[in-house]
Amino acid sequence: GDSVTQMEGPVTLSEEAFLTINCTYTATGYPSLFWYVQYPGEGLQLLLKATKADDKGSNKGFEATYRKETTSFHLEKGSVQVSDSAVYFCALSGANTGNQFYFGTGTSLTVIP
Amino acid sequence: DAGVIQSPRHEVTEMGQEVTLRCKPISGHNSLFWYRQTMMRGLELLIYFNNNVPIDDSGMPEDRFSAKMPNASFSTLKIQPSEPRDSAVYFCASSREGDRSEAFFGQGTRLTVV
Repeated sequence: GDSVTQMEGPVTLSEEAFLTINCTYTATGYPSLFWYVQYPGEGLQLLLKATKADDKGSNKGFEATYRKETTSFHLEKGSVQVSDSAVYFCALSGANTGNQFYFGTGTSLTVIP
Repeated sequence: DAGVIQSPRHEVTEMGQEVTLRCKPISGHNSLFWYRQTMMRGLELLIYFNNNVPIDDSGMPEDRFSAKMPNASFSTLKIQPSEPRDSAVYFCASSREGDRSEAFFGQGTRLTVV
């Protein structure tokens, strides 16, 4: 079945460090791919998305490129800030299973000053 | 649009009591999802509706849990009787099927069963 595997956390970085959170997916069709962010005490918010191969999603300095050849959608940011501390979820939908969404287990990021 | 609206935001109840969580999806969205989030198990899909019809309820933990969607603008998740292990944050999300759009999440209901 369809699934998403993302990097285990927690991740701790110093401010201005480079961030990569790995995400790979399994799907028999052509899914849309998403990164969501969850701040403490809040619901999940869409961070960025890509709907077809080679698309790059970007928002707030974060980027991820839909790589069909490696079935990956890694999240990157060149210089993290303390305010980026949150839990990040990779997700896919719309491959073969209608509109169902599949989420990874989440990666907790803490950025220290 | 006000987004996905969940109520209540917090619920504290005693073991054995019935609990009802409510969700109003975004107008025009025809898919609705209920998730449960705990530290131990992460984010779990409980049930997924499309056009008010339950499509996949394989994530519903047991018969104590039930969900309904009587119309396109309202859904409930009921736990009867509640148990301490049901304590979690319950999220409702909605999306529009067919256009590859994202799911929009509500703020969640934090349930504590004592």
